[in-house]
Amino acid sequence: NAGVTQTPKFQVLKTGQSMTLQCAQDMNHNSMYWYRQDPGMGLRLIYYSASEGTTDKGEVPNGYNVSRLNKREFSLRLESAAPSQTSVYFCASRGIGGNYEQYFGPGTRLTVT
Amino acid sequence: GEDVEQSLFLSVREGDSSVINCTYTDSSSTYLYWYKQEPGAGLQLLTYIFSNMDMKQDQRLTVLLNKKDKHLSLRIADTQTGDSAIYFCAESMRGAGANNLFFGTGTRLTVIP
Repeated sequence: NAGVTQTPKFQVLKTGQSMTLQCAQDMNHNSMYWYRQDPGMGLRLIYYSASEGTTDKGEVPNGYNVSRLNKREFSLRLESAAPSQTSVYFCASRGIGGNYEQYFGPGTRLTVT
Repeated sequence: GEDVEQSLFLSVREGDSSVINCTYTDSSSTYLYWYKQEPGAGLQLLTYIFSNMDMKQDQRLTVLLNKKDKHLSLRIADTQTGDSAIYFCAESMRGAGANNLFFGTGTRLTVIP
């Protein structure tokens, strides 16, 4: 099992450009999440998907859109990138029951100039 | 609301014990977690504690939970250089979205040889 994978690992965008961050999990998990990590601010939830076919806003959704393409894949789109979106983006997934542990991908480091 | 706080930095000498502290505000938390993030990597679950427990021990790790004071701590015994990382506490509340996690700011532990 690869767990949670994310592409790309690094990306540099110019202000106004668009891009999609990809995430996939092979653990048959129902719930998937997108976070951003900024120094001194921990992880903040952007969007989540409780199950295939549903998506909901998290704490900081402005400037982002998501698609839960199928049970495995959950993508994050920046339509018009801004310097404030420079961050490290993490995708995570979680199965049903248990201790609600989330499994994280390795992250995408995005710089917007 | 959810507000999870940690101090940002901690330095200890190799072989000493490290204690990382966390306070949270929501008393309806069901599980509390400690995640570890090594440089350039995603988060990995270190340990967790159910909210009806006071203490959990797992090899060199001891988690203490004081529900009255809403205080969580992680003690690492015999700290090694490989323990240098950022440690995040997080809480999960039943019914919060897809059992969403709320993360603290992270504590960067530096182990001095």
